[in-house]
Amino acid sequence: GQQVMQIPQYQHVQEGEDFTTYCNSSTTLSNIQWYKQRPGGHPVFLIQLVKSGEVKKQKRLTFQFGEAKKNSSLHITATQTTDVGTYFCAGLSGSARQLTFGSGTQLTVLP
Amino acid sequence: NAGVMQNPRHLVRRRGQEARLRCSPMKGHSHVYWYRQLPEEGLKFMVYLQKENIIDESGMPKERFSAEFPKEGPSILRIQQVVRGDSAAYFCASSTFQGNTNEKLFFGSGTQLSVL
Repeated sequence: GQQVMQIPQYQHVQEGEDFTTYCNSSTTLSNIQWYKQRPGGHPVFLIQLVKSGEVKKQKRLTFQFGEAKKNSSLHITATQTTDVGTYFCAGLSGSARQLTFGSGTQLTVLP
Repeated sequence: NAGVMQNPRHLVRRRGQEARLRCSPMKGHSHVYWYRQLPEEGLKFMVYLQKENIIDESGMPKERFSAEFPKEGPSILRIQQVVRGDSAAYFCASSTFQGNTNEKLFFGSGTQLSVL
């Protein structure tokens, strides 16, 4: 079955440092989505990428979808304490009828 | 605009009891997904339903677990004869699924199930 791996599992950064999380799929994805879950909260949709090599930006967040559509990354520039939370990628491939979520990267930002 | 509503927020059950978790999707959404999350772990897919139909239940244990999404009313995730290992956060999400492009999921606040 489809597997989506995400690294690192945990990341601690000083406020102002950059942060990147990586997502890799065992199969080619038709699209990939990113979600953020604050501590004690629920996942909230951030963005969806569909095209090979696509890059999208949301303020300090940059999302990339690999050329082969099997990997993706989320990069945060100059982290802030409000960026704290767990970031999940979720991919859809082949005949799958539902998203497969990565294991998430838990980001801690130290003031 | 009401989002995805889940209740109860917290549910405590003793071993052997039944747990019923409810989820009302966003207005206009006819697709419901249930996910389970253990502390500091990812979201594990359990079941995907449309109104009156189970589309994919490949992530749901065949024993003790069932789900429904009736024509009227909320979706229900039912766990019979709960065991301590069922303790987890259960999230419901809804979407409007159109064509082959998966729409984004809107999650509820989750139900934290604790089995004593």
